[in-house]
Amino acid sequence: EAQVTQNPRYLITVTGKKLTVTCSQNMNHEYMSWYRQDPGLGLRQIYYSMNVEVTDKGDVPEGYKVSRKEKRNFPLILESPSPNQTSLYFCASSFVAGGNEQYFGPGTRLTVT
Amino acid sequence: QKEVEQNSGPLSVPEGAIASLNCTYSDRGSQSFFWYRQYSGKSPELIMSIYSNGDKEDGRFTAQLNKASQYVSLLIRDSQPSDSATYLCAVNDFNKFYFGSGTKLNVKP
Repeated sequence: EAQVTQNPRYLITVTGKKLTVTCSQNMNHEYMSWYRQDPGLGLRQIYYSMNVEVTDKGDVPEGYKVSRKEKRNFPLILESPSPNQTSLYFCASSFVAGGNEQYFGPGTRLTVT
Repeated sequence: QKEVEQNSGPLSVPEGAIASLNCTYSDRGSQSFFWYRQYSGKSPELIMSIYSNGDKEDGRFTAQLNKASQYVSLLIRDSQPSDSATYLCAVNDFNKFYFGSGTKLNVKP
């Protein structure tokens, strides 16, 4: 089944404790992206990747890191999480950027206390 | 700051009616436009994509794009209770995506 998977689905952590949210797709997509969704603000793009070893900042990259060492994986790293990073996070992928449908993962609900 | 604006709603329509959802965007250079549907607690799923001015129809859904007015709309004909969800407008601009905050649609039986 073609899909985007994310882990964990739910995470409660404390300020400053490094964490990684994994994202994997099995559709051989080149483009992958991370978003956060907050009430009233919609989806905001954090980082995106056009292909392996090619990443770039989205609209709200501060406090996040990403890497793209393999085509299928695009982990999101929070090296020192803060309460303002409490949010719902989505990973998405598409064949290429622009005119292609993005397939979204199921989401990761992160709470930072 | 590039913006995508949507009326947050809720928009309430009776079953069988036409639902009209609107979206405006700030950047004239935007190239591709998308409508996603998001049920509560779920991830967004694509409804329609549109790239050139005019209308694009797919079943009960019609997307309309007017680049001169920087306006995108989605019409849902014969609305069903299962269409009750939040509809997100998304705009692509040079590999980046910008989403509106969504319009909540309630279709009443």
